[in-house]
This record gives sequence, C-alpha cells and structure tokens, in this order.
Amino acid sequence: AQKVTQAQTEISVVEKEDVTLDCVYETRDTTYYLFWYKQPPSGELVFLIRRNSFDEQNEISGRYSWNFQKSTSSFNFTITASQVVDSAVYFCALARFGNEKLTFGTGTRLTIIP
Amino acid sequence: EPEVTQTPSHQVTQMGQEVILRCVPISNHLYFYWYRQILGQKVEFLVSFYNNEISEKSEIFDDQFSVERPDGSNFTLKIRSTKLEDSAMYFCASRTSGANTGELFFGEGSRLTVL
Repeated sequence: AQKVTQAQTEISVVEKEDVTLDCVYETRDTTYYLFWYKQPPSGELVFLIRRNSFDEQNEISGRYSWNFQKSTSSFNFTITASQVVDSAVYFCALARFGNEKLTFGTGTRLTIIP
Repeated sequence: EPEVTQTPSHQVTQMGQEVILRCVPISNHLYFYWYRQILGQKVEFLVSFYNNEISEKSEIFDDQFSVERPDGSNFTLKIRSTKLEDSAMYFCASRTSGANTGELFFGEGSRLTVL
C-alpha cells in the first residue's frame, strides 16, 4: 500500500520568510514518482513538480526548491522569500511507475502574512 | 491559456437522485481523470479513462459511478443514486499523451452537496 504523510496541517509565516513543507511517503515499489501540487483559493490543483525515484538530484525553480531523500522517504518543498501569492494548500503525491493513480497527502495550508 | 472547465460549480441534490458532473478537458489531451476531495480531507483518485474506456478505478468507484465521453469533447461523471457520503468536491483532470505520468491539469472542481 502507498501512503503520503504531510504532518504539518497549517503553517503561517511572515512575508519574505523561508518556509519548508514536509512530505514523507511509504511505498514498497522501487520505482515511483513524487509530486507537489498547489491548490490556491480558486480551488483547482496546479502541478508544480514531478520527481522520479531514481533521480535524487534536488531541484530549484525560482523561489521554489525540492529536497528528495530516498534514505528517509522524504520529498520536502521549500519556498524562499515567501510572498502573499504563495498562500494556498500544498499537496504532496505519489504514483507507482507507469500507473495513473496519484495518492495524495492530506495537504498543508500555508498562509503568508503580509 | 488552455484550461479544464467543469460544470456545474455547485450542485445540491437529494439523496437517491442521479447527478451528472461535466468536464471539458483541454482539447489535445487524451487521458482523463476524476478525483474527489471530501471537505478538509485529502484528494482521492476515482477513475482514469483513455481510448474510450476506463484504464483504472479505485474502490470508491463502485457500480453507482460511471464515466462517459459522449461527444469527443465532454467527459462526464454520473452518480446513479447519490448518498450523503458522496458530498465532496469533484475534480476533473486531463493530460496529453506526451506528458509524464501525473502531470495533470485540473479543473476548478464541482462541489456536490447531497441532502
């Protein structure tokens, strides 16, 4: 069985602070995909990143960075110099290799205080 | 920018009634999905659809649920006899054949309230 745990239910930080959202996953598969999605107040889910299990290189995209550590089954997401527009619910998700089904975590609601 | 559109945005229905939720995926996309999110809870996979047939479904997607792509543009989710526990936000998603697994484009959701 696959499971994704996002232990932080809600986080509030002041604008311009850095913030890290934690994601821990469980899977018996040796190859899999990990994802982060953003759900802004408008409600849709917006794809942010996909990582393959065989690629542990960390990734940076502008103010966003992702730290994938297979040894601890974690895929954490850091926002640097946070902005009010970053306020949203962020979901981590897991999929088996070659499988269409995403297993989502319960999400972390991030509030950036101006 | 192309987007997935869903209608209605909110539907209220009585228990036992049939409901159809509609989605227009992005036009060149070939893979279609329904997910749902019960209020405050995680997003759950319901079904995936490709080449006019279901490719995978979850245990939630029982005989009360069905999907259809009736006219090459719409993608519908039908719940035959709604239950209170079907109350949720239902998300449609799509992707191209070239996109990596999981890089889905989601609509804004249809909120279903069953009374």
